[in-house]
Amino acid sequence: EAGVVQSPRYKIIEKKQPVAFWCNPISGHNTLYWYRQNLGQGPELLIRYENEEAVDDSQLPKDRFSAERLKGVDSTLKIQPAELGDSAVYLCASSLNGEVGTEAFFGQGTRLTVV
Amino acid sequence: AQKVTQAQTEISVVEKEDVTLDCVYETRDTTYYLFWYKQPPSGELVFLIRRNSFDEQNEISGRYSWNFQKSTSSFNFTITASQVVDSAVYFCALSENSGYSTLTFGKGTMLLVSP
Repeated sequence: EAGVVQSPRYKIIEKKQPVAFWCNPISGHNTLYWYRQNLGQGPELLIRYENEEAVDDSQLPKDRFSAERLKGVDSTLKIQPAELGDSAVYLCASSLNGEVGTEAFFGQGTRLTVV
Repeated sequence: AQKVTQAQTEISVVEKEDVTLDCVYETRDTTYYLFWYKQPPSGELVFLIRRNSFDEQNEISGRYSWNFQKSTSSFNFTITASQVVDSAVYFCALSENSGYSTLTFGKGTMLLVSP
């Protein structure tokens, strides 16, 4: 069974440019997460989807970040415009459901460098 | 206030030594889950174990063992007879009933096992 697939693995952009990350979750998983991991830190939630509905986006910087999960499967996270402080690893994860204690499966992440 | 604290930033051991990674958590929920994830250099977070707040029974799985103590809000992880392949960053994480399946991670402990 395929795991969570993310692309691209690496991205280098200049500040003020837009960037997008793509995530394909495990088949059958209703819940999808985007986490951001800064260097030397643990991942922090940006947004959580239940099917196509964003149920927790309280930590998403909405002035420059946007996300969508069309048809409740694949998801895209966008930053426009990017800032130097956005350099981080962006991790996508999925789980069967959003109940407390449900195991989340993570992709390999996209490492973003903003120069 | 930090909800998951991993006080050890980095631990270095020699192969075959035993090593314990500490985790202290904070929550007001009575129902919660604790996790350990491993993050090798490839970047993907790998699930190791999950315990719920109602089960304080310690667990052993091969070279891994976990000690969950509600009285001290700790969920420590021990690797017996460490191997070079155990070198990675280890994250402790909390899933609270009020947060559904969202994980709150500690900052991680980097384990370096040398031959």
